[in-house]
Amino acid sequence: EPEVTQTPSHQVTQMGQEVILRCVPISNHLYFYWYRQILGQKVEFLVSFYNNEISEKSEIFDDQFSVERPDGSNFTLKIRSTKLEDSAMYFCASSGGSSYNEQFFGPGTRLTVL
Amino acid sequence: AQKVTQAQTEISVVEKEDVTLDCVYETRDTTYYLFWYKQPPSGELVFLIRRNSFDEQNEISGRYSWNFQKSTSSFNFTITASQVVDSAVYFCALSEDNYGQNFVFGPGTRLSVLP
Repeated sequence: EPEVTQTPSHQVTQMGQEVILRCVPISNHLYFYWYRQILGQKVEFLVSFYNNEISEKSEIFDDQFSVERPDGSNFTLKIRSTKLEDSAMYFCASSGGSSYNEQFFGPGTRLTVL
Repeated sequence: AQKVTQAQTEISVVEKEDVTLDCVYETRDTTYYLFWYKQPPSGELVFLIRRNSFDEQNEISGRYSWNFQKSTSSFNFTITASQVVDSAVYFCALSEDNYGQNFVFGPGTRLSVLP
């Protein structure tokens, strides 16, 4: 069964450093998403991406964040200068194919900013 | 804007008890989709069910059942004969978009099933 994959599973970085979180969505999906979950809190929408551009973004997704689909398979989230409060689990999701209204989530990347 | 409320922050039950997790949603759209996800201690999000707004039939899947009531904007989830492995955080979510966008999660309910 196709699935969304994410790497790395855990990333530790120093405050101020740039990080790139990687995702491989399901191959025939057209819509891609990033979500954030601060420990013990709810899952929050960051951004959605379609046709090589951002289709929607939340207030959380400020200039520190960017997304890219550098090739036909990867979907990345970059945080330019990490802050302590960026520590969270980041989930990638994709939708499309035969199940347009269901998002399939990856296993998440736990980002720890020291 | 759409909103999802899960009033129960935490629930504890003893194994084999039945438990119902509440979900109330708000939306102005007539077409929308409701979801439940399970997040076990390992952290991943596990899809449980999707329901569209035109299908009010209740659904049963093994020990899981869902009660969708448009009149009260609720989509409650019941686990029958709970087991320790059911211990997790459960999220209700709503999408107003046919392409899975505008996905909003509720705050989650932490279920602890005690042996």
